[in-house]
Amino acid sequence: SQQGEEDPQALSIQEGENATMNCSYKTSINNLQWYRQNSGRGLVHLILIRSNEREKHSGRLRVTLDTSKKSSSLLITASRAADTASYFCATFGGGVGKSTFGDGTTLTVKP
Amino acid sequence: KAGVTQTPRYLIKTRGQQVTLSCSPISGHRSVSWYQQTPGQGLQFLFEYFSETQRNKGNFPGRFSGRQFSNSRSEMNVSTLELGDSALYLCASSLDWEIGELFFGEGSRLTVL
Repeated sequence: SQQGEEDPQALSIQEGENATMNCSYKTSINNLQWYRQNSGRGLVHLILIRSNEREKHSGRLRVTLDTSKKSSSLLITASRAADTASYFCATFGGGVGKSTFGDGTTLTVKP
Repeated sequence: KAGVTQTPRYLIKTRGQQVTLSCSPISGHRSVSWYQQTPGQGLQFLFEYFSETQRNKGNFPGRFSGRQFSNSRSEMNVSTLELGDSALYLCASSLDWEIGELFFGEGSRLTVL
């Protein structure tokens, strides 16, 4: 199975609401990154959090990392219809020698 | 600066044929990695090249191969195509694959009939 597993698989909210996605992983890491993918397109990097960091902000995004639980969460505040996309967490480093992406959370933001 | 360029964007092949996909990274990026995305398996890592050397490899059969040229452009090749190879193939470039952010191209969508 994938190193990173997102939860929930799908999330539907109204514009203006907050969206929270969770990611769990199995091995030690150097960093964890979140990406967004609009349907059938390439992935866009959102935010990177290093293993020695606990929280990071970027605009309307807030990412937390709990290395003891091997989990991360992505919070999107005040969501917009344009945030509709799939969101993936990806783990890097930690001796695994390869990048691993989770299965993704599909977010639908209704106007 | 220009982003990651993948060609071709769409292609249709038949079983048994081979295919070559190309990726031009962002100028200055020496790391290029490749991924296969399918509805059933999600995003799977294929391999990563840095300065013309394959540094990391995922769990794909030998039919999947790649290379990187001195200008950092990369190609991946799939021989003896199978129906299950139908997928979106994504290329990403970065300054350092295991540390930094990845910049993805729009992908090459391969359909095998």
